[in-house]
Amino acid sequence: GEDVEQSLFLSVREGDSSVINCTYTDSSSTYLYWYKQEPGAGLQLLTYIFSNMDMKQDQRLTVLLNKKDKHLSLRIADTQTGDSTIYFCAETIRSGNTPLVFGKGTRLSVIA
Amino acid sequence: DGGITQSPKYLFRKEGQNVTLSCEQNLNHDAMYWYRQDPGQGLRLIYYSQIVNDFQKGDIAEGYSVSREKKESFPLTVTSAQKNPTAFYLCASSRQGSGANVLTFGAGSRLTVL
Repeated sequence: GEDVEQSLFLSVREGDSSVINCTYTDSSSTYLYWYKQEPGAGLQLLTYIFSNMDMKQDQRLTVLLNKKDKHLSLRIADTQTGDSTIYFCAETIRSGNTPLVFGKGTRLSVIA
Repeated sequence: DGGITQSPKYLFRKEGQNVTLSCEQNLNHDAMYWYRQDPGQGLRLIYYSQIVNDFQKGDIAEGYSVSREKKESFPLTVTSAQKNPTAFYLCASSRQGSGANVLTFGAGSRLTVL
């Protein structure tokens, strides 16, 4: 079945780059997503990548996909204290309105 | 502004009671979803609906029920059969399409069983 794994915690210094990693098990994943969640709130989409792409960049965010190793990463450049929150990796195995399968989330702490 | 609204934000229930969580969207999205979030557990899918008058069970549907009588609304009932209902419940919706399934989430409802 589908499974998405993330490390639970990451701590970085302000101004450094953060790299949040994710692995997934289903090789037929079509899209992979990154969401963030502020305390007590819903999830907010950051970016997504199609499985035939290796990289996607959006301002301070860079997504890298290694389909062979089923590994996805989110790099946040120049990390700020305001980036401290929980980040979720997710996948879908078919296009269309297939529900997303989420990882357990990585809590990013940025130290000033 | 278009969005997805969940109510109530906080809900307390006595054991043995059924409660219904509301989810309304004005985004004209076809699909709607309910996820449950527990600390350290991530999000787990309860039910989803891709079209009015149709819905499918997710991974943890036992003890829950839903209806989809209108495109805008997808209420979730937490029944007394749900053994551990205290959790944060998230509703989401998405547009019908063949590409990425971008979910828009509500702000969540926190249910506490006393």
